[in-house]
Amino acid sequence: EIVMTQSPATLSVSPGERATLSCRASQSVTSNLAWYQQKPGQAPRLLIYGASTRATLIPARFSGSGSGTEFTLTISSLQSEDFAVYYCQQYNNWPPLTFGGGTKVEIK
Amino acid sequence: EVQLAESGGGLVKPGGSLRLSCAASGFTFSSSTMNWVRQAPGKGLEWVSSITGSNSYIYYADSVKGRFTISRDNAKNSLYLQMNSLRTEDTAVYYCARSGLGPEIGDFDYWGQGTLVTVSS
Repeated sequence: EIVMTQSPATLSVSPGERATLSCRASQSVTSNLAWYQQKPGQAPRLLIYGASTRATLIPARFSGSGSGTEFTLTISSLQSEDFAVYYCQQYNNWPPLTFGGGTKVEIK
Repeated sequence: EVQLAESGGGLVKPGGSLRLSCAASGFTFSSSTMNWVRQAPGKGLEWVSSITGSNSYIYYADSVKGRFTISRDNAKNSLYLQMNSLRTEDTAVYYCARSGLGPEIGDFDYWGQGTLVTVSS
C-alpha cells in the first residue's frame, strides 16, 4: 500500500499570502496524483488531477506540481473562501486508492 | 449537470446491516467507474470500494472486504453499497464519487453530499 504523507498538518496564512502544501508518497506514483479541497460540512471538491492539471472551474490561483514521490499544491494569493482542509490522493497503484491525512489551512 | 445523491444512511447496531444507494444523473453512468469513499467524524478520507462501468472489476479496501458489497444498476443509473456485519469503526459519512478517468480507476471528479452511517448500540 502506498502511504501518502501531507505536511504541515496545519498552515496559518494571512489573506492575500501564498500557501504551499506538501504531499509525499512512500513510493513513486508518477503523475497520478490529485488534490481536493474540503470545507466543513461539505463534500470534497477536486482541484487538481494528473499532479498539475486544474479541474473544471478551479481558479488559476491554485496550481499543482511534482512527480514521483514529491508533490506541491500552491495557492498563490489566499482568498477567504480558500480556508479549508486539503487532501492529496494517489491513483497510480491500487487497490487501495490512498489519501494523505490532510492539511488544514487556517486564517493567521 | 452531474449530480450524485446518496441515501440509506442511519443508526444501526453493531453486527447489523444497511444498504446505501446513490442516484446519478447528468452523465453516461454506464461508462463511468463509480466509488464509495468514507470519512469518520473529524477524520480524513478513506477509499472503500470501486466498481467499473461494466461490472467487470470490483475492488475493496481490506477494512471492508468480506463485509461490504458494491453493485450498480446501469438501467437505473444507481450505485449501491450493501454493508453487513457493521462495526463501530464503520461509523462515517459515506460519499458516492465518480471516477474522473471515465471507465478507469482514478481521481474522483464529482461527489455526492454524503450519507451518515452511525454504528452504535
